[in-house]
Amino acid sequence: EAQVTQNPRYLITVTGKKLTVTCSQNMNHEYMSWYRQDPGLGLRQIYYSMNVEVTDKGDVPEGYKVSRKEKRNFPLILESPSPNQTSLYFCASSLSQGARGGAHTDTQYFGPGTRLTVL
Amino acid sequence: GDSVTQMEGPVTLSEEAFLTINCTYTATGYPSLFWYVQYPGEGLQLLLKATKADDKGSNKGFEATYRKETTSFHLEKGSVQVSDSAVYFCALSDRGGSYIPTFGRGTSLIVHP
Repeated sequence: EAQVTQNPRYLITVTGKKLTVTCSQNMNHEYMSWYRQDPGLGLRQIYYSMNVEVTDKGDVPEGYKVSRKEKRNFPLILESPSPNQTSLYFCASSLSQGARGGAHTDTQYFGPGTRLTVL
Repeated sequence: GDSVTQMEGPVTLSEEAFLTINCTYTATGYPSLFWYVQYPGEGLQLLLKATKADDKGSNKGFEATYRKETTSFHLEKGSVQVSDSAVYFCALSDRGGSYIPTFGRGTSLIVHP
């Protein structure tokens, strides 16, 4: 079954304790991204990756890191979490490499979400 | 830059009522337009899309037409069901832009029996 998986689904942690949220897709997609969803603000993109070893900042990258060592995985790293990073996080993937490949028509496939609480 | 504006929610309807959720956009290039739906406790999933002007996307009884002249992509359904209760997101992806997709803030739909 084609899917995007995220782990953990729920996480409660304390300020400053490093954490990683994993994301994996089995569709051989080139493009992957992370979003956070907050009430009244909708979805905001944190980081995205056009392909292996190619990552770039989205709209709200501060306090986050990512890596793309393999095509299927795109972990989100919070080196020193703070309470303002309490949010619902979604990983997403889509097929194409970029605008020249017609990527603007691509459907994004989302994971089930990770609810993070930082105390 | 690119932006998407959706009507504020929640939208509350009775079963079998007609639904319209307004969406307007600004874009620098030639965007594709999308509606995603998020059911409670789940991630977003594509509902429908249109990739060029005058295209109509449709799925599960929902429709939206890409109107370049009014920069709009309003979502409609003729007869809603309780199971349509969800949050609906309008989004665009712009060929001429950075390709970072832009989402609206979402509109919550509540359908009562």
